Amino acid sequence: AQSVAQPEDQVNVAEGNPLTVKCTYSVSGNPYLFWYVQYPNRGLQFLLKYITGDNLVKGSYGFEAEFNKSQTSFHLKKPSALVSDSALYFCAVRAVTGANNLFFGTGTRLTVIP
Amino acid sequence: DSGVTQTPKHLITATGQRVTLRCSPRSGDLSVYWYQQSLDQGLQFLIQYYNGEERAKGNILERFSAQQFPDLHSELNLSSLELGDSALYFCASSVSPKWNTEAFFGQGTRLTVV
Repeated sequence: AQSVAQPEDQVNVAEGNPLTVKCTYSVSGNPYLFWYVQYPNRGLQFLLKYITGDNLVKGSYGFEAEFNKSQTSFHLKKPSALVSDSALYFCAVRAVTGANNLFFGTGTRLTVIP
Repeated sequence: DSGVTQTPKHLITATGQRVTLRCSPRSGDLSVYWYQQSLDQGLQFLIQYYNGEERAKGNILERFSAQQFPDLHSELNLSSLELGDSALYFCASSVSPKWNTEAFFGQGTRLTVV
């Protein structure tokens, strides 16, 4: 079975501080991992993905994520948060040899406080 | 703007009715995905088409069907609507049918069943 968990419904961070949005996953075998962001009244926008290779993945808008196989995690990070980063963030996973389905987490609402 | 166009943006209809949601993928994208986003179930994959052929099925109800036309636009048909079908329906597209490819999402169709 494939699943992904985002343990925090809400994350608040002060502008200029580093931010982390957590994601853990469960798949059989190797995963494909994605982060998407959803702004109000908009569709999801792709931020970054891990397919293979370097565990540290850099994406759009200064975001990065680190794939940790032993901890089955793929946390999203940014060194310095902007107010405009406030949005809903989704982690998604699919096993490389799994069923044709992409499983999304329940989302984490990030609020950056000015 | 992701380049994926969904119409209509909003739809209000009565229980028992049938509706059709339309999606035009990004130029050059051959793969189309449909997702349902609801408060209680989060973001759920429904179905994938690639170049006119059904490629993968997710949690799609038998009352729902979809197709992709020769011009690559896709339609999602929802019939015998129930109150619980009220949700945001997203279409996404990607150039490849492979699940290691990021998808580009439309702004969604908000369906309200009354």
